[in-house]
Amino acid sequence: GIQVEQSPPDLILQEGANSTLRCNFSDSVNNLQWFHQNPWGQLINLFYIPSGTKQNGRLSATTVATERYSLLYISSSQTTDSGVYFCAVGPGGGYQKVTFGIGTKLQVIP
Amino acid sequence: NAGVTQTPKFRILKIGQSMTLQCAQDMNHNYMYWYRQDPGMGLKLIYYSVGAGITDKGEVPNGYNVSRSTTEDFPLRLELAAPSQTSVYFCASSFTIGTSVNYEQYFGPGTRLTVT
Repeated sequence: GIQVEQSPPDLILQEGANSTLRCNFSDSVNNLQWFHQNPWGQLINLFYIPSGTKQNGRLSATTVATERYSLLYISSSQTTDSGVYFCAVGPGGGYQKVTFGIGTKLQVIP
Repeated sequence: NAGVTQTPKFRILKIGQSMTLQCAQDMNHNYMYWYRQDPGMGLKLIYYSVGAGITDKGEVPNGYNVSRSTTEDFPLRLELAAPSQTSVYFCASSFTIGTSVNYEQYFGPGTRLTVT
């Protein structure tokens, strides 16, 4: 199956700082999502981005499918950004199984 | 729309007991999934379904069973609960429209299960 690696595993930021989270995957995909799991355990969809670039407020994401990586950018971080960020990928082609990375744990301190 | 709903939110089981985790979605999605998340880990796929009457195993199906009699509901059954099944369980759904496939998955709030 597809292997997913996320980096860094842990990140501590001062409020207001910017950060980049990375997701590398081992095979071609046509399904890639970024999720934020908040401290209460809820999984929040951030981006569905099998290729290209998307932006939503302070967050943006870029996937370069040919080079098998995706980046999640967080600008002007806030304490509410704390939690774990997961990348999930799948091969698509009618095959719906996805593989999750183990996540990047982000702590934003005031 | 309520989206994806799960019940119960929390449950404690004794070893050997059985239970059913409920999952429902009101978005008319044809694909549904069950995942488990162990502490400090990502999610692992237990079972998935591509439509009513069709289910298939994921990465970690042992000890679980599923059924899909309607588009809306996708219950997960635990038989003979074991401590190794202590985890948080998430249900998710996604959809296709004709030949247009959107693999984006929408998650429920999760069920926290402890087996002692």
